[in-house]
Amino acid sequence: EAGVVQSPRYKIIEKKQPVAFWCNPISGHNTLYWYRQNLGQGPELLIRYENEEAVDDSQLPKDRFSAERLKGVDSTLKIQPAELGDSAVYLCASEGGRAFKDEQFFGPGTRLTVL
Amino acid sequence: AQSVTQLDSQVPVFEEAPVELRCNYSSSVSVYLFWYVQYPNQGLQLLLKYLSGSTLVESINGFEAEFNKSQTSFHLRKPSVHISDTAEYFCAVSGGGTPLVFGKGTRLSVIA
Repeated sequence: EAGVVQSPRYKIIEKKQPVAFWCNPISGHNTLYWYRQNLGQGPELLIRYENEEAVDDSQLPKDRFSAERLKGVDSTLKIQPAELGDSAVYLCASEGGRAFKDEQFFGPGTRLTVL
Repeated sequence: AQSVTQLDSQVPVFEEAPVELRCNYSSSVSVYLFWYVQYPNQGLQLLLKYLSGSTLVESINGFEAEFNKSQTSFHLRKPSVHISDTAEYFCAVSGGGTPLVFGKGTRLSVIA
């Protein structure tokens, strides 16, 4: 079974540029999460989807961040425009299936560097 | 609101020695507790979890953690570490419909 896939793995951009991250969750997982992990910190939730509905986006900086999960499968997280403080690893995780209740499966992350 | 405190940011230990990584949590509701491991340049992997039942939970690679409600702790232990255990370890808590809240992580360095 394939795990959570994220791309790109690394991205370097200049400030004020836009950037987008893509996530493909494990097949059949209805719940999808986006986290941001700053250097030396644990992941912090940005947004949670149940199928195509965003059920928790309270921590998403909506002035510059947006996300979508069309058709309830893949998801895209966008930053426009990026700021220096957005440099971090962006993690996607998915969850689903009775056998793995409350267990989130994480992708390898996208490391963003804003210059 | 829930929170997690990992008391040690770095733990160096010699190979085959025992190790304990400490985790304390704060929550006003019943909790689920997790330990995740992150190897270099990889995503987080679930190591073990406590949902209910026995307070001692074990992983397949020799780690164990004990849920202590009175001390609000969920410390991770291993009696004999290997070089391959070198990684970042994150404690996390959820419960009452709230999302996972992670600690800041503990970097375990196993020295040959």
